[in-house]
Amino acid sequence: QLHLQESGPGLAKPSETLSLTCTVSGDSVRNIGYYWGWIRQSPGKGLEWIGNIYYSGATYNPSLESRVTISEDTSKNQISLKLISVTAADSATYYCAGSTVTTTFDQWGQGTLVTVSS
Amino acid sequence: SYEVTQALSVSVALGQTARITCGGNNIGSKNVHWYQKRPGQAPVLVIYRDTKRPSGIPERISGSNSGNTAALTISRAQGGDEADYYCQVSDSNTVVFGGGTKLTVL
Repeated sequence: QLHLQESGPGLAKPSETLSLTCTVSGDSVRNIGYYWGWIRQSPGKGLEWIGNIYYSGATYNPSLESRVTISEDTSKNQISLKLISVTAADSATYYCAGSTVTTTFDQWGQGTLVTVSS
Repeated sequence: SYEVTQALSVSVALGQTARITCGGNNIGSKNVHWYQKRPGQAPVLVIYRDTKRPSGIPERISGSNSGNTAALTISRAQGGDEADYYCQVSDSNTVVFGGGTKLTVL
């Protein structure tokens, strides 16, 4: 059974870079049949896709593409999210999710709350 | 960019059938997935590729997709079905979520 766990600072200052990590257990992040994504939900709002990372590369939400990088660390079996120049609008619960057997996000982490404030 | 539209809210009487729709241009040509989201919990995939149920999802939850409308149907609605439901499609290597529909069981 796959398990995803997000981690990172709960608080970030405006203009700083937010870095979050998703640790995957139960299988390899480099499994060629899987892909991984980051999704966020701001308070009172809906789900917003941030980006995916595949065996062959990454794709991003066009509205965030200039500020976001998703990468993998196979030595630690982790997926990382980096979001630069954060503002209060980036305050949200950030979820890591994986697509393993269904072609969409069938595995989710519990989420990590990030607040952007000075 | 591709857009999908969901009603803000749907109400259903206990034990009756709820239908939550997701509209988009020729959405019938795309794979539609549905997630259940309860407050404070991670989303749960309840339908993928229009009609398929992941392991553990009851048969009273079903999906359909044709023309410009995809739908999630919940039969014999229970109090535990109260949640936000989101449809999701992929388009040009991007993922698009609907705005979500809040299901209230009366």
